[in-house]
Amino acid sequence: AQRVTQPEKLLSVFKGAPVELKCNYSYSGSPELFWYVQYSRQRLQLLLRHISRESIKGFTADLNKGETSFHLKKPFAQEEDSAMYYCALRDSNSGYALNFGKGTSLLVTP
Amino acid sequence: DVKVTQSSRYLVKRTGEKVFLECVQDMDHENMFWYRQDPGLGLRLIYFSYDVKMKEKGDIPEGYSVSREKKERFSLILESASTNQTSMYLCASSSWDILNNQPQHFGDGTRLSIL
Repeated sequence: AQRVTQPEKLLSVFKGAPVELKCNYSYSGSPELFWYVQYSRQRLQLLLRHISRESIKGFTADLNKGETSFHLKKPFAQEEDSAMYYCALRDSNSGYALNFGKGTSLLVTP
Repeated sequence: DVKVTQSSRYLVKRTGEKVFLECVQDMDHENMFWYRQDPGLGLRLIYFSYDVKMKEKGDIPEGYSVSREKKERFSLILESASTNQTSMYLCASSSWDILNNQPQHFGDGTRLSIL
């Protein structure tokens, strides 16, 4: 079975500091990984997908197959980055549903 | 822009009631999903559907059923509501375009309270 682990429930950083939200996965095949974000009172929305190798709102995430990780990083955190972040793995055995981690709440303080 | 619409933002029901949660998407997506979101547990898959009249159990299907009579609509049914089904319910849809790593699009959620 696929599993996604986000070890931190809460991460608090100061504005301007670097931030890294950790995500580890276990999957026997070739993984498809995503980061979703949920701002206060807003719907869950896609932030990044590993296949795109893109940078969104200053965030990047690199798939490391050796370490089975997909950590989300931003060099300089902003207050508007405060949100709940979920790492997700697409499950090929469940109609391509997403297997989510438990989420990390990021708080950026001034 | 993809629109996934859930019929209610807040819903309060009583134990033992039959509860219907409705979800509609406007992008002709083949796949539709129901998750529940609980603090500290993240999102857990209840049921999914990859075609009209098709349904598959997710990780936590007990106490739930679903219906997909039309491609755009996916309903979640609580057969006999219980207090442990108090939760935020999220509907999502995606296209079958796996090769292009298409993401899921989520609705606003329905916060369901069972008294």
